[in-house]
Amino acid sequence: QTVVTQEPSFSVSPGGTVTLTCGLSSGSVSTGYYPSWCQQTPGQAPRTLIYNTSTRSSGIPGRFSGSILGNKAALTITGAQADDESDYYCVLYMGSGVWVFGGGTRLTVL
Amino acid sequence: QVQLEESGGGVVQPGGSLRLSCVASGFTFSNYGMRWVRQAPGKGLEWVAFIWYNGINKYYADSVKGRFTISRDNSKNVLYLEIKSLKPDDTAVYYCAKDGGAFGIDSWGQGTLVTVSS
Repeated sequence: QTVVTQEPSFSVSPGGTVTLTCGLSSGSVSTGYYPSWCQQTPGQAPRTLIYNTSTRSSGIPGRFSGSILGNKAALTITGAQADDESDYYCVLYMGSGVWVFGGGTRLTVL
Repeated sequence: QVQLEESGGGVVQPGGSLRLSCVASGFTFSNYGMRWVRQAPGKGLEWVAFIWYNGINKYYADSVKGRFTISRDNSKNVLYLEIKSLKPDDTAVYYCAKDGGAFGIDSWGQGTLVTVSS
């Protein structure tokens, strides 16, 4: 069974830049997996930041960007702010109507 | 403004059944695929099921196949998830979510909590 991998945790300084990644236990992530990124703060519903690799959802600030880096999907936060401290999940489309979420990355801003 | 409001959660005994609902507003419901995503307490997100805009095709995660049924009523703008043979591992907040194109989600509901416990 395919596993979507993410860093369990990451930290960034306020104003800094951080790149979170999303890989596969077997194989490479490409645009054909239509990677999306969601942000979730404790006790809240998720919200989608990025879909289709690099398209920002409505209302999402430009400091969030998505890309493919090497064999992984990536979410880059430029100029991190305190309220970016959240859990970040990637999700990949596996085809045939099936999606798989990664385990999530807990981002700390300090 | 897109709104998705889930209901139907609660405490259920193992082996029991439940039907979750998600009332949609602010968009043309019959034009969009819809999904259910769940999150067990303290755990990550898990995709559960997806239904086409017209209800013809339905897809399920292996972990729920055979026990969960996704459906929709486009005349009432409601998405459903019927859950049978509930297990303690099904304890989770269940979110409904709207497709936004390019296989992404553009809107999420606030979720409804299902607790499976004797």
